[in-house]
Amino acid sequence: DTAVSQTPKYLVTQMGNDKSIKCEQNLGHDTMYWYKQDSKKFLKIMFSYNNKELIINETVPNRFSPKSPDKAHLNLHINSLELGDSAVYFCASSQLQYNSPLHFGNGTRLTVT
Amino acid sequence: GQQVMQIPQYQHVQEGEDFTTYCNSSTTLSNIQWYKQRPGGHPVFLIQLVKSGEVKKQKRLTFQFGEAKKNSSLHITATQTTDVGTYFCAGRDTGTASKLTFGTGTRLQVTL
Repeated sequence: DTAVSQTPKYLVTQMGNDKSIKCEQNLGHDTMYWYKQDSKKFLKIMFSYNNKELIINETVPNRFSPKSPDKAHLNLHINSLELGDSAVYFCASSQLQYNSPLHFGNGTRLTVT
Repeated sequence: GQQVMQIPQYQHVQEGEDFTTYCNSSTTLSNIQWYKQRPGGHPVFLIQLVKSGEVKKQKRLTFQFGEAKKNSSLHITATQTTDVGTYFCAGRDTGTASKLTFGTGTRLQVTL
C-alpha cells in the first residue's frame, strides 16, 4: 500500500522519559513534516525536511530532535518528556512544490503521565 | 508570524441544513488548501485553490478563494452525517512557500 506510516499509534509514558516516533513514506515525496495537534485540535508545524535537509524548524523546545536518515524516513526523538508534550503527533509528506498537498500518517497519540 | 483563523470554531446542524466555514489569513497567500479530519482520524486533502477569486465545486462542497487571496470559504449544501469532522484550511504565504500553516479548524456535527 502506498502511504505514510508512523509507529507507534499510541505511546503512554512517564514524565522524564525519552521516546521516539518513527515515520516512513513510500509515495516518492521529497519533503516530510512533523505536526503537533493539541487537545483543541490546533495543528502546528514543528519541523520539515527536504531530501534529508532541515528546512523548517519552528519554535520547538530542543528536547525535540528530528532525524531524517533518507528522504523516505523522518523520525522524532523526544527527551525528558513533560506533561505538556501530550498530544497527537502527525507525520506528513509532500513534494516541495508550493502547490503540493500533504499526505498525513495516522498519527501517534502521546500521553505523558 | 502568519496566522490563519477559522470561524466558527464549532457548528452543529441537522442533516439537510447548509454549513459554511470561513478562513482568514493575516498575510497574502500563494494558495490555499482544505483538509477534512474525521473524528479519530488524520487530515485528508480535499482541494487546492490558487487563483484570486477562484471557485471550485466537489459535489455538495463549494470552495472559494478571496479576491485579495487572504480569505477562503467552504460551503456544504444539504449536509449529511458523513460530513461530520473538522475542516481545516491551510495556506502558504508568498514569502515562505515551503511552510503550510493550518487554520484553527471548524468542527462540524451533523445530527438526524
